[in-house]
Amino acid sequence: DQQVKQNSPSLSVQEGRISILNCDYTNSMFDYFLWYKKYPAEGPTFLISISSIKDKNEDGRFTVFLNKSAKHLSLHIVPSQPGDSAVYFCAAKERSYNTDKLIFGTGTRLQVFP
Amino acid sequence: DAMVIQNPRYQVTQFGKPVTLSCSQTLNHNVMYWYQQKSSQAPKLLFHYYDKDFNNEADTPDNFQSRRPNTSFCFLDIRSPGLGDAAMYLCATSVGQGYEKLFFGSGTQLSVL
Repeated sequence: DQQVKQNSPSLSVQEGRISILNCDYTNSMFDYFLWYKKYPAEGPTFLISISSIKDKNEDGRFTVFLNKSAKHLSLHIVPSQPGDSAVYFCAAKERSYNTDKLIFGTGTRLQVFP
Repeated sequence: DAMVIQNPRYQVTQFGKPVTLSCSQTLNHNVMYWYQQKSSQAPKLLFHYYDKDFNNEADTPDNFQSRRPNTSFCFLDIRSPGLGDAAMYLCATSVGQGYEKLFFGSGTQLSVL
């Protein structure tokens, strides 16, 4: 049973426009959420995170929004650039004092075209 | 410089022939993880070490074992690989304080013939 769901396998956006990637979760014990970006033949790299006590976190062109009541988060990239083309994974974790193990979604492949 | 290094990048083994994947880190992190990712699926946690304490996920098959001889190295042993074990295997590390990001290696793509 998938606890973290990314229902859109792919997204295509024009350069300069906004990219919105969505993620839903089912486990109400999750209290920390992360987005990872993965290029082909590379491991995932950390992009941005948000704690459940917040509803928004911003880092440059990247903003993550969290709606706890809907168990939904989204990643906004604006403006989108061709170098943003990659697979984006949403990940979540439960509170733990000594591990950071993550539950991942299946990923959304973003393509930014000129 | 690479901080989490996985070798080899590509590994081919035969059905039933034991195989070992390796991971090393230069971050001196307490926790090391092994994830399995099959095509178009989410990375799935197999197990993790907090220092020398081994933590197996409930649904990880017995066919998968791990060793962590020291802080820097961690190995994934597949005792009798089946065709269904063909996947990307990702090693990751973290500080282990509960709200830290994971650092991933580039992965080892395992093929089983």
